[in-house]
Amino acid sequence: GAGVSQSPSNKVTEKGKDVELRCDPISGHTALYWYRQSLGQGLEFLIYFQGNSAPDKSGLPSDRFSAERTGGSVSTLTIQRTQQEDSAVYLCATTRWAGGEQYFGPGTRLTVT
Amino acid sequence: GESVGLHLPTLSVQEGDNSIINCAYSNSASDYFIWYKQESGKGPQFIIDIRSNMDKRQGQRVTVLLNKTVKHLSLQIAATQPGDSAVYFCAENIAGSARQLTFGSGTQLTVLP
Repeated sequence: GAGVSQSPSNKVTEKGKDVELRCDPISGHTALYWYRQSLGQGLEFLIYFQGNSAPDKSGLPSDRFSAERTGGSVSTLTIQRTQQEDSAVYLCATTRWAGGEQYFGPGTRLTVT
Repeated sequence: GESVGLHLPTLSVQEGDNSIINCAYSNSASDYFIWYKQESGKGPQFIIDIRSNMDKRQGQRVTVLLNKTVKHLSLQIAATQPGDSAVYFCAENIAGSARQLTFGSGTQLTVLP
């Protein structure tokens, strides 16, 4: 079946602008994670959704970052007033159940100029 | 804080040789470990996992070894091929937990012709 998809694949924006990144999970996967990956670095956890439970936002670096998941499916990560240090690849992953193997999307490469 | 780390940032091997990528973890509560492969411009791809009740698990051309005494795991790739060139991450979690995976910084494997 189809894997995790993310859009856009690349996004270039000016400092101070808002951006929205989208993640379409694998159908039936109940858990969804957002990670950030800076160049040459590992993955940094941002936020986690599980079913109808309140999301775990413990990894969000500032209040400029927010995310929502509508209807337990598609998720949108929003970064307001982007800064140059926000430049990174933003990865979405989903799992069939909490703690299970995570399937990753291809990521969105964000460049803030 | 607790983290997962890798011993070597880069590894170069001759095509056909075996590769060994090492990883150290410090969270003694972790009982589930995963190796991911990330090719340039793509999201991480699951390779193999192991639970703490095992010390070895084999897949196709890959073997993961877990030494809980020294909190160390390794990924062995047999007969390394050019297509194996990628960044390899180890990640840890507590099985069944909603916790996000904790990733190491990755090892860049380069297969030389």
